[in-house]
Parts: sequence; C-alpha cells; structure tokens
Amino acid sequence: EVHLLASGGGLVQPGGSLRLSCAASGFSFPGFAMTWVRQAPGKGLEWVSSNSGSGATAYYADSVRGRFIISRDNSKNTLYLQMNSLRVEDTAVYYCAKTNRGYNWNFFDYWGQGTLVTVSS
Amino acid sequence: DIVMTQTPLSLSVTPGQPASISCKSSESLLHSDGKTYLYWYLQRPGQPPQLLIYEVFNRFSGVPDRFSGSGSGTEFTLKISRVEAEDIGVYYCMQSTQLLGLTFGGGTKVEIK
Repeated sequence: EVHLLASGGGLVQPGGSLRLSCAASGFSFPGFAMTWVRQAPGKGLEWVSSNSGSGATAYYADSVRGRFIISRDNSKNTLYLQMNSLRVEDTAVYYCAKTNRGYNWNFFDYWGQGTLVTVSS
Repeated sequence: DIVMTQTPLSLSVTPGQPASISCKSSESLLHSDGKTYLYWYLQRPGQPPQLLIYEVFNRFSGVPDRFSGSGSGTEFTLKISRVEAEDIGVYYCMQSTQLLGLTFGGGTKVEIK
C-alpha cells in the first residue's frame, strides 16, 4: 500500500525559510517522479513543483521558481521542498503526491495527508 | 497557462439521483501524441485529493463504476449515476496536456440533500 507522510510545516515569518519532507513507502520510490501541490485555506489546488525519479530534473510553477527547491534522497525514500523567501501568499497546506512514472509523468495517483505552512508576522 | 473552468460551483443531490459536473478548458487538451490528459479528483472533507478518472474516461483502481468521465477537446464531464453519501466533497478536474503549466479547475462542491 502506498503511503506518503508529509511533515515540516509550521509558522514562519515573511522572508523566512522552511523545509518540508515527505516520507514514502509501499512502492519503488526511485522509479517515480514526485510532486508538491498546495492548497491555500478554503481555496483550490495549485501545482508547485515536481522532480523526476532520479532527481536529475526538476520543474517549478512560476509562483515559486527561484525561491523553492525540490529534491529527493532515494536512499531514504524521502522527498523534500526547501522553501526560501516565503511570502504571505505561500500560506497553504502542502501535499506531496506520487506520479504515474519516473519521467514524462502525466498525473498524480496517490497523495499524502499534507502539512500546513503559515507565513505571517 | 490553460484555464480550467468548472460548473456548477456547487451541487446538492438527493441520494440515488444522478449528478453531472462540467469542466471546460481554454485550449484543446488533445496532445500531439493523440492522448487527452484530463483527470478528475475528489477531495473529501479533511482529506487529500484522490484520483477518480484518468485520461478522460478511465476509472482508477477501486473507483466505483457509478463514476464515469467523458468529453474531448475542450469540454469534459464527470457523471455520478447514483450519488451516495460517501460521494460528498469537492471535485476537481486537472489537465496535464501542458505539463509544465499543469492546472486544476476551481472545484465543484457536492453536498447531499
């Protein structure tokens, strides 16, 4: 059974940094691209970032490019999102999700529970 | 980016009755490879989204056959043949035809009367 557990959320001041983690189990982690999707309070879903199964290729939404860095440690079956220069508008629940392939993925088939990031002074 | 527009914003349905949700894209979702990368997700209250339908009409593993997807080009529909209490939540369509500009619809909230 696929299991994804996101952690690392919390309260941070504008301009601050936070690192999210997502521990994966139940599938061959290096074989699948992974992604972060966020949901602002009471709002819809927004794709944030994805990386390939090997971690060699990363993609970012325009809203976070240059501030967020996605990475993964395939030896630990863990996905990360380093969030820098945080803004109030980054406040959201951040979900990690497994994609359907290691590369050239098309969709997200399993999602974790999410971790809340609040950016406020 | 491709804009995904869902209607209605909300839906109140009597158990056992059908329901239908529309999703329209600002550009055709037909990819040059011949596939259409349109998906449907359900987010139950307090839960992460779960995949229902992939590539327009394919039910994901474990999804009941009362859920069906259809459409082509820029217009797509999710139908629930007989709504059950467990179907409440917010339904989202998603396109990944433009993969690096992947976008979701705004969501349709389904409630039980």
